[in-house]
Amino acid sequence: DQQVKQNSPSLSVQEGRISILNCDYTNSMFDYFLWYKKYPAEGPTFLISISSIKDKNEDGRFTVFLNKSAKHLSLHIVPSQPGDSAVYFCAAYRDDKIIFGKGTRLHILP
Amino acid sequence: DAMVIQNPRYQVTQFGKPVTLSCSQTLNHNVMYWYQQKSSQAPKLLFHYYDKDFNNEADTPDNFQSRRPNTSFCFLDIRSPGLGDAAMYLCATSRAPGQVNEKLFFGSGTQLSVL
Repeated sequence: DQQVKQNSPSLSVQEGRISILNCDYTNSMFDYFLWYKKYPAEGPTFLISISSIKDKNEDGRFTVFLNKSAKHLSLHIVPSQPGDSAVYFCAAYRDDKIIFGKGTRLHILP
Repeated sequence: DAMVIQNPRYQVTQFGKPVTLSCSQTLNHNVMYWYQQKSSQAPKLLFHYYDKDFNNEADTPDNFQSRRPNTSFCFLDIRSPGLGDAAMYLCATSRAPGQVNEKLFFGSGTQLSVL
């Protein structure tokens, strides 16, 4: 049973535009949420996180929004750059574990 | 640079032949994790060590074992690999679980093929 769901396997966005990656979760007890970015042949790297008590966290071009009532979070990247092309994993933390979604492959088009 | 190192990058083994994957870290983190990731699937936690305490996930097959001889090293042993065990195996570390905003640092992974 997937507790963290990323329903879009891939997303293509024009360079300079906004990329929005979505994530849904089923467990309302998650303490905080994270986004990881993965390039081919590399391990995932931490991108940004948000505590369950907040609804927004911003770090440069990256902003994560959390809607607890909808059990939904999203990652906004603006403006999108070619180096943002990667797989993005949404993850959630509870009970000493980080649970990942399947990932969304983001393609930034020239 | 402090990092998490996994060897080898690619590992090929035969059906039923034991195989060991290794992970080392220079971050001096207390926790080391092993994740299994199959193609287009979410990374799945197999187990983790908090210092010397081993924590197995309930649905991790007995075929998978782990050893952590010291803070820096952690091994994943697959006693009798089956075709379904072909996957990317990711090692990760963190300072300690249970802290808000604790995050994982990953190695580059070992891609295991079973022939």
